[in-house]
Amino acid sequence: SSELTQDPAVSVALGQTVKITCQGDSLRTFSASWFQQKPGQAPLLVIYDKNNRPSGIPDRFSGSRSGNTASLTITGAQAEDEAVYYCNSRDRDNSRNLVVFGGGTKVTVL
Amino acid sequence: QVQLVQSGAEVKKPGSSVKISCKASGGTLSSYAVSWVRQAPGQGLEWMGWIIPLFGAANHAPKFQDRVTITADDSTNTVYMTVNSLRSEDTAIYYCAKDLTGGTLGRGVFASWGQGTLVTVSS
Repeated sequence: SSELTQDPAVSVALGQTVKITCQGDSLRTFSASWFQQKPGQAPLLVIYDKNNRPSGIPDRFSGSRSGNTASLTITGAQAEDEAVYYCNSRDRDNSRNLVVFGGGTKVTVL
Repeated sequence: QVQLVQSGAEVKKPGSSVKISCKASGGTLSSYAVSWVRQAPGQGLEWMGWIIPLFGAANHAPKFQDRVTITADDSTNTVYMTVNSLRSEDTAIYYCAKDLTGGTLGRGVFASWGQGTLVTVSS
């Protein structure tokens, strides 16, 4: 199956911008979704279809894609954005009808 | 917005089976792909498989093909997952998650999540 690769951890100063990446062959064909997970909580969808935000997600969250890499950008990071962020996409082989997740990136807001 | 409510925590012996439920309220699951995602302690998210209740056929990740069965009862708006031959490595929180939009194929855009069910496998 496909793999999605994320950096394990990144830090950002309060109010600054951080970009999290997700790399994998499946992203050449399928869009990534991004999920935020805080300790003890279920994941929360923050970005889908490259750069769409569900209702209630602040506009400081944005997404993009270039080649086999999808990115999630938090512009003006807030303390409450400290969490683990996961990307996912459909498996690159459309006939297999599967989903893959990245390993997650822990974002620390300093 | 649909709410997904999962069954309660389970403690199981190695080699046994567990069946977890995921019931929707405030909306239908019928034409939406519903996935099961698990998270071992301190680990990341792992997709296990999905089903569209209206069609009934499930797809499973290769790793779980032999031990996991996903079913749905469209009449009660409930999806189930059974994990057989449990081992200690199956100790995890199991989440159900519903796609944002319906269709004949799942998209993996998990807009609604259950609260999670902790399954502990221990002798």
